[in-house]
Amino acid sequence: DAGVIQSPRHEVTEMGQEVTLRCKPISGHNSLFWYRQTMMRGLELLIYFNNNVPIDDSGMPEDRFSAKMPNASFSTLKIQPSEPRDSAVYFCASSPAGNEKLFFGSGTQLSVL
Amino acid sequence: GESVGLHLPTLSVQEGDNSIINCAYSNSASDYFIWYKQESGKGPQFIIDIRSNMDKRQGQRVTVLLNKTVKHLSLQIAATQPGDSAVYFCAGTSGGYQKVTFGIGTKLQVIP
Repeated sequence: DAGVIQSPRHEVTEMGQEVTLRCKPISGHNSLFWYRQTMMRGLELLIYFNNNVPIDDSGMPEDRFSAKMPNASFSTLKIQPSEPRDSAVYFCASSPAGNEKLFFGSGTQLSVL
Repeated sequence: GESVGLHLPTLSVQEGDNSIINCAYSNSASDYFIWYKQESGKGPQFIIDIRSNMDKRQGQRVTVLLNKTVKHLSLQIAATQPGDSAVYFCAGTSGGYQKVTFGIGTKLQVIP
């Protein structure tokens, strides 16, 4: 299994630009999670989906952040407009049904200048 | 609780010695705990888990201990190796709910 695949690995953009992060979960996993990691706040859960449906988005910081899961094999996290304080590593993780064990991707390092 | 801080706690251990990484949790309703290992430039990786109806669980070279009375969790690594150098996170959830909360992390440095 290829594991959770995230793209891009690195993203450098200017303030105000739209940023789209992509994730392909492990085949057969029915839950998908987006996390953000910073030195100041550690790992924060932004949103998670069960069977492509958003269950809890209370961690999404602002309306500038949105996430979609159009099918079982793809999810996006979009920031529009981006700001320097959004700079962080964004992780996608997936888990099988009825299992809290998370399988993480390698993350996207986002730098907003 | 919240994971806030600029500097991770660091544990330095001589290669071959045993390591003990500690974690305190605040939610008494937490009933499932996981330890993750994060190497530089990678995502966290599952190491071992434990349910609240247990107080000890052993894996390969790793042991997790749970003390619900004082809300404390520890990860013991036997015969620590250079490849064990990483940041270790404890995480917890409750009631089968998949909202996993991560601790601040501890950086383990193995001295060759």
